[in-house]
Parts: sequence; C-alpha cells; structure tokens
Amino acid sequence: GDSVTQMEGPVTLSEEAFLTINCTYTATGYPSLFWYVQYPGEGLQLLLKATKADDKGSNKGFEATYRKETTSFHLEKGSVQVSDSAVYFCAHNNFGNEKLTFGTGTRLTIIP
Amino acid sequence: GAGVSQTPSNKVTEKGKYVELRCDPISGHTALYWYRQSLGQGPEFLIYFQGTGAADDSGLPNDRFFAVRPEGSVSTLKIQRTERGDSAVYLCASSLGGDQPQHFGDGTRLSIL
Repeated sequence: GDSVTQMEGPVTLSEEAFLTINCTYTATGYPSLFWYVQYPGEGLQLLLKATKADDKGSNKGFEATYRKETTSFHLEKGSVQVSDSAVYFCAHNNFGNEKLTFGTGTRLTIIP
Repeated sequence: GAGVSQTPSNKVTEKGKYVELRCDPISGHTALYWYRQSLGQGPEFLIYFQGTGAADDSGLPNDRFFAVRPEGSVSTLKIQRTERGDSAVYLCASSLGGDQPQHFGDGTRLSIL
C-alpha cells in the first residue's frame, strides 16, 4: 500500500550547517509530494510541494525535488537557522484522491 | 483571515464514554479532512468530506467512529464507547479541494483514562 519513509530523528545541527532530510515514498498513480512543518506549539503548516516529476518545490530557503526514478523527495537547506527547529513531515497524496499519507516525522534541532 | 478552528483543544474522559470533537474550517473551503496523530507518529487519515458527503471514509478504524458535516461547513467527529487506544491528537484540515494545500487546525488532544 501507500507509504512514506523518512529519515529518523532526532537531528541536531549547528547554525549555518547544511541540512538534508531524506524521504522516499510508495504510491500508486501519480502522487503529489509535500513537506509539512510543525513549529513548537503550533499546528502543521505546508512548507513546500511538487506535483509532477522533476518539479522543485521551494520556500523559506528549503528545497525538494520530485524524483520519480528514485521515488524520493529529499528536503534540503543550505544554511539552517535556530528558527528552523521543528518537526518535519514528508507526505503524498494520489491523483484523484486527496487524502494525505504522512511519514513519521523528523525532529530537527538547530543549536547556535 | 481565520484559520481552521478545533474545539475543545483538550478533552479528558473515562473509558466507555462518548465524545464529540468539532472542526470549523476556513470559510469557503469545500473539502474537510480528519486525521489522527499518535505520539511520535505522523498524522493518519480518517475521513474526508467534499461538501456535505463523505468522499472517503476508509481510514475510520471501526464503527465506533463516525463523522458528519450536515451543512457543508462545520464537522463533528464522534467516538462512541471510547477506549484507551483512542488517545491521540485529532487533527482537522480544510482546503479548496483537488490539489490545493490542506490547512490544519491546532488539533484536539484526546485522553482516555
């Protein structure tokens, strides 16, 4: 069935370090791919999305590229900040079906 | 503008009791979704509505769970004969439908004693 596997956390990095959080998916059809973020004390927010192969989603310095050949959607940021500390969730839906399938989340902590 | 509103924010009740969780979507959003998030896990889909009708209820775990959206706006998730395993954060989201992004509320934390 449909699933999302993402890098287990927690991940701790120093400020200005390079970030990668891996995400791979299993889906039928043609999924759209998403990264959601949950900051401390806040609700889930959409960070970025990509709707077809080779699309790159980007927001707030974060990027992820839809790789159909490797069924991956890895999240990257070149220089992280303390304010990026949060839990990050990779997710997908399927064309014609709006329900989201989420990964287990990766807790990211950035230390100054 | 106002986001998705969920009430109550916290609910503590005893095993066997009935609970109702309410979701007020963003005005104009035709699609509404319920998810359940257990500690250390990602949200798991329960049900989604397009307008007043349930378009997909395949995530409801059993017949103790039921949800309604009678006027195509506010939705209520109802759980009968609650069990300790029902303890989780219940999340509601709404969207304009299709591939439009889902906007999440802050959730209701349900604790069954």
